[in-house]
Amino acid sequence: ILNVEQSPQSLHVQEGDSTNFTCSFPSSNFYALHWYRWETAKSPEALFVMTLNGDEKKKGRISATLNTKEGYSYLYIKGSQPEDSATYLCAFIGGSSNTGKLIFGQGTTLQVKP
Amino acid sequence: DGGITQSPKYLFRKEGQNVTLSCEQNLNHDAMYWYRQDPGQGLRLIYYSQIVNDFQKGDIAEGYSVSREKKESFPLTVTSAQKNPTAFYLCASREGATGELFFGEGSRLTVL
Repeated sequence: ILNVEQSPQSLHVQEGDSTNFTCSFPSSNFYALHWYRWETAKSPEALFVMTLNGDEKKKGRISATLNTKEGYSYLYIKGSQPEDSATYLCAFIGGSSNTGKLIFGQGTTLQVKP
Repeated sequence: DGGITQSPKYLFRKEGQNVTLSCEQNLNHDAMYWYRQDPGQGLRLIYYSQIVNDFQKGDIAEGYSVSREKKESFPLTVTSAQKNPTAFYLCASREGATGELFFGEGSRLTVL
């Protein structure tokens, strides 16, 4: 079983703080890395799909970077707001071609206090 | 509206019974997935299907079965052989162009 690790497991920040978390994945046979946001009582929703080493993606105050050679991705939230409170999941796809097998990390749960 | 529909949302089952969870999508996606979530754990892959009439085991397939007879449907059967079936089950389909997963709202199974 491939190992995808996320850290920290949980995070409590004040409104306005910037924060970041990490997703570690196998550095060999990389195909793609996904980030999802999962709010309570809702379905997970895609934030980013990243495929190239050095990729940086941004959506509003949220951005992500990708290092496939060392096997990690960072998710950054600038100026956290209470509505950012959610569990953030990363998912790794390995293989030389698209095997379609997405393996998730255990998630980082973010709580933003007003 | 396009999306993934899972049913039932809550299900109670007696030990020794098989139960089938439904997953339907109208997004015209080829690939579909079943994940399981337990408290304090991430999503674990049970089965996935990249195309109609084909599916592959994920990391925790024992005690589960699936079928993919139609593009829009990917039902999951939790059999009596699954030793610890009480969990939250999520179905997803995958968009071919972006690779993003689209999830249903989940089904919570409790074995009494």
